[in-house]
Amino acid sequence: DGGITQSPKYLFRKEGQNVTLSCEQNLNHDAMYWYRQDPGQGLRLIYYSQIVNDFQKGDIAEGYSVSREKKESFPLTVTSAQKNPTAFYLCASSIQQWNTEAFFGQGTRLTVV
Amino acid sequence: AQTVTQSQPEMSVQEAETVTLSCTYDTSESDYYLFWYKQPPSRQMILVIRQEAYKQQNATENRFSVNFQKAAKSFSLKISDSQLGDAAMYFCAYNGGSQGNLIFGKGTKLSVKP
Repeated sequence: DGGITQSPKYLFRKEGQNVTLSCEQNLNHDAMYWYRQDPGQGLRLIYYSQIVNDFQKGDIAEGYSVSREKKESFPLTVTSAQKNPTAFYLCASSIQQWNTEAFFGQGTRLTVV
Repeated sequence: AQTVTQSQPEMSVQEAETVTLSCTYDTSESDYYLFWYKQPPSRQMILVIRQEAYKQQNATENRFSVNFQKAAKSFSLKISDSQLGDAAMYFCAYNGGSQGNLIFGKGTKLSVKP
């Protein structure tokens, strides 16, 4: 089945550690996105990528990094510089960036302990 | 910059009744798309309905329909014959112009009473 797979579903991080969230899609979509969801805040864009080896900062990129070495994969690293990383993270993809809907993974809940 | 506003943080509806969720947006673009997404307790984002701005006809998907008022920049979602499974967070989203990415409102939590 085609879709977007995020792993792990739950992730715990100690303060000062970097962690990487996985996102894989087999929809042959060009564009991929990372959103952060906090209660009452809706979804806020962290990073997005239109094509392989290219990505752009979203509204809240500080403390995060990404790579896009393969069309299918768009991992997100939450670095120790992110001061408040506890949140729900959603990965999405779309055929193209403009005028089209996005399809979402099931999300990763990150908790700092 | 484009913005999306959902003015109802929470709504409640009786099972089998009709409810309307509000959404307004701000843009200077003429060509764009609007969406309603549903996020149930599982937190999986599901596309409910989409509307192309150049189409005057309001989109409909089974029990879900929209009232798209382009001049007023309004995009409300009507759910008819509400079911218990409709209980979820509903997000309005915009995609268009040079921005390209989906811009979301803060969501409306819908409760359905049996």
